Amino acid sequence: AIQLTQSPSSLSASVGDRVTITCRASQGISSALAWYQQKPGKAPKLLIYDASSLESGVPSRFSGSGSGTDFTLTISSLQPEDFATYYCQQFNSYPHAFGGGTKVEIK
Amino acid sequence: QVQLVESGGGVVQPGGSLRLSCAASGFTFSSYGMHWVRQAPGKGLEWVAFIRYDGSNKYYADSVKGRFTISRDNSKNTLYLQMNSLRAEDTAVYYCAKSPGGHIDYWGQGTLVTVSS
Repeated sequence: AIQLTQSPSSLSASVGDRVTITCRASQGISSALAWYQQKPGKAPKLLIYDASSLESGVPSRFSGSGSGTDFTLTISSLQPEDFATYYCQQFNSYPHAFGGGTKVEIK
Repeated sequence: QVQLVESGGGVVQPGGSLRLSCAASGFTFSSYGMHWVRQAPGKGLEWVAFIRYDGSNKYYADSVKGRFTISRDNSKNTLYLQMNSLRAEDTAVYYCAKSPGGHIDYWGQGTLVTVSS
């Protein structure tokens, strides 16, 4: 089974900061990766699919890149509503594993 | 608009069974694959199972294989998860989720399953 390793597991940042989260797959998954945002007590929300495609309605400050085994989610200018936990998920093969999550906190 | 509403959660003893349902609306249910994803209290997301749009293929996480069964009734726009031989480690919020092709684009609000004596 493919495993996803996210880093860091948590980070502290200020409003306006550029934030980068990485996701590494244990084997190549082409571009079959999605990123989700989850706030406490809420269901996750899709941000990015196919590694770099922005979901409709998601602000353009979110972007994704990468292919193969190394992927990145970037928030270009962190906003107050972006403080949340972020997860990557691979859908190249079953099981469709999630990464362990990255909690973005206010500095 | 897409709506996914889970039900059937609750408290069950170890070794017991529970059936979750997910009522779908706002899209052509019979055209989309569907997932179950769970989240233990304070933990990350764990993918559980997937069923193709027509029910022809099903996939499971190793942690639930042989104990859980995913199914769907396209005439009722409803997804199911039959959970047998439940363990304490199955305690989680269970989400149903719609898949347009690989990734998940919509999630339900979740239903809590607690396995405890």
